[in-house]
Amino acid sequence: DIQMTQSPSTLSASVGDRVSITCRASQSINSWLAWYQQKPGKAPKLLIYKASSLEVGVPSRFRGSGSGTEFTLTISTLQPDDFAIYYCQQYINYFPTFGQGTKVEIK
Amino acid sequence: QVQLVQSGAEVKKPGSSVKVSCKASGGTFSSYTISWVRQAPGQGLEWMGRISRVFDAPRYAQKFQGRVTIVADDFTSTVYMELNSLRSEDTAVYYCARDLLGGPASDAFDIWGQGTVITVSS
Repeated sequence: DIQMTQSPSTLSASVGDRVSITCRASQSINSWLAWYQQKPGKAPKLLIYKASSLEVGVPSRFRGSGSGTEFTLTISTLQPDDFAIYYCQQYINYFPTFGQGTKVEIK
Repeated sequence: QVQLVQSGAEVKKPGSSVKVSCKASGGTFSSYTISWVRQAPGQGLEWMGRISRVFDAPRYAQKFQGRVTIVADDFTSTVYMELNSLRSEDTAVYYCARDLLGGPASDAFDIWGQGTVITVSS
C-alpha cells in the first residue's frame, strides 16, 4: 500500500490566518491526490481533486498544489467554518489510502 | 441531485455479520462506482472496497479480503456491504461514497452517505 503522511497532526490558527497542510506519499502518485474536510459527526467533504482542481461549490480560499510525492493544501484566509479535520487521499491505483488527518483548531 | 442514503445503526455480537445498505437517488445508478470507507472512533479514514457498475468485479482492500462482500442491486439502486466474523475492532462508522468520475481504477469521492454506526460488543 502507498502510505500517506500528513503534517502537522494539529494546527492552531486564528480567523484570517493563512494555513498550509502538507501530505507526503511513500511513492510517486503523479497528481492523483484529493483533499477532504470533515467536521464532527459528518461525512467527509471533497475539497480538491487531482491535486489542484477545486470541487464545485468549494470556496476559492482553498488551494491545492504539488505533484509526485509532496502536496500542500492552503487555506488563504481562515474562516470560522474552516475549523475541522483535513485528510488527503491518493488514488493512483486500485487501492486508495488516506493520510492520518490534520486537525485545524482555534488558537 | 445525487444522494446516498444508508441504513441505520446496528449493534452486533462478536463473530456475527452485518449488512449495510446504501441507496442512491438521482443520477444514473448503473454508471456509478461506489466504495465503502470506515472510520473507527477518533481515527482516520480506511478504504474497504468498491463495486464498479461499468468495469470489473468488486475490489477489496487486502485487510478485508475474505471477510467483506460488496454487491449492487440495480432494481433498487442500492449497494450492500456485508462484513463477516465481526470483532470489537470493527466498531466504526461505515460510509459509502461515489467515485467522482467512475473510471477503471480508483478515484476521489464526491458524494458520501451519511454514515452507519456499527458497534460490535458482547
